[in-house]
Amino acid sequence: EAQVTQNPRYLITVTGKKLTVTCSQNMNHEYMSWYRQDPGLGLRQIYYSMNVEVTDKGDVPEGYKVSRKEKRNFPLILESPSPNQTSLYFCASSRREGEKLFFGSGTQLSVL
Amino acid sequence: DQQVKQNSPSLSVQEGRISILNCDYTNSMFDYFLWYKKYPAEGPTFLISISSIKDKNEDGRFTVFLNKSAKHLSLHIVPSQPGDSAVYFCAASVASGSARQLTFGSGTQLTVLP
Repeated sequence: EAQVTQNPRYLITVTGKKLTVTCSQNMNHEYMSWYRQDPGLGLRQIYYSMNVEVTDKGDVPEGYKVSRKEKRNFPLILESPSPNQTSLYFCASSRREGEKLFFGSGTQLSVL
Repeated sequence: DQQVKQNSPSLSVQEGRISILNCDYTNSMFDYFLWYKKYPAEGPTFLISISSIKDKNEDGRFTVFLNKSAKHLSLHIVPSQPGDSAVYFCAASVASGSARQLTFGSGTQLTVLP
């Protein structure tokens, strides 16, 4: 089954404790992206990757890092989480940028 | 400044009637538009899209209309069903160099009442 898998689904952490949210897709997609969803703001792009070893900032990249060492994986790293990063996070992939996106089920992150 | 706006945070419609969800955009360079549907505890899923060379695209009960002069996009669902209750996001895409950028609206919660 074609899918984008994110883990974990729920995460509660404390300020400053490094964390990683994993994302994997099995569709051989070139393009992958991370979004955060906040009330009234919709989906805002954090980082994206057009292919292996190619990453770039989205609209709200501050406080986040990503890596794309393999085509299928695109982890989101919060080196020092802060409460304003409490949000619902979605990983997505598409064959190419601008085409139909396939989303993961989301990761609800709470930073205390 | 949001380039893609969904001004109605919520909409309630009776089952069997038409649902009309609206989306406005400011960037006249957007040339491809998409609608996504999102159920609670799930990621958004693609619903329907339209290229700027068209003014209408239909897929079953779902029709998207594009009015380029008004920079306005709408999604019509006819007839509406309770299973259509979800958050609907519109998105717009524009070429940026060799890449394309996708910008989402803030979403509209549709509730279809039985």
